[in-house]
Amino acid sequence: DGGITQSPKYLFRKEGQNVTLSCEQNLNHDAMYWYRQDPGQGLRLIYYSQIVNDFQKGDIAEGYSVSREKKESFPLTVTSAQKNPTAFYLCASSIGTTPGKSNQPQHFGDGTRLSIL
Amino acid sequence: AQSVTQLGSHVSVSEGALVLLRCNYSSSVPPYLFWYVQYPNQGLQLLLKYTTGATLVKGINGFEAEFKKSETSFHLTKPSAHMSDAAEYFCALVTGGFKTIFGAGTRLFVKA
Repeated sequence: DGGITQSPKYLFRKEGQNVTLSCEQNLNHDAMYWYRQDPGQGLRLIYYSQIVNDFQKGDIAEGYSVSREKKESFPLTVTSAQKNPTAFYLCASSIGTTPGKSNQPQHFGDGTRLSIL
Repeated sequence: AQSVTQLGSHVSVSEGALVLLRCNYSSSVPPYLFWYVQYPNQGLQLLLKYTTGATLVKGINGFEAEFKKSETSFHLTKPSAHMSDAAEYFCALVTGGFKTIFGAGTRLFVKA
């Protein structure tokens, strides 16, 4: 079955440590996204990528970094500069963002819950 | 500016009762509207979407929503709530391009 796989499901970060969250999709989607979810705040966009080797900052990119070296992979690194990283992180993908494709929904992984040790 | 407002962060209904979750949007261009559901510790799943055409949209699990341009609303309804409907529901807006704007979510509680 096609879908999005996020790993690990739970992750703990020590002070001063960078951690990387994995996101892989086999839907052949062009666009991929990372969201942060905090209680009562909905989803906030961290980074997005419309094509391979290209990505853009979202609304809350500070303290995060991404790469898009392959179409199916979009890992997120939470750096030590992110002072409040405890949250639920969701990766999503969609067919594309060009006219004619942007009316299609996003598909989500099951998330990674990051906590501070 | 585009925005989505979900009225009520929490809604509680009895099993078998009508479910009504409210969503209002603001958009300067014709919107694409979505409802997603999220169960605990899971990602979001698409319930239904409105792009163009028929304004009453049917989705999975007996849910439906009606697009009302004059009221800038896209409320989600289900005639009879089931215990398994307890979850968080998100209304979302796309106005062309890459960005999906999500509402803050409404948590639905279903009482036996």
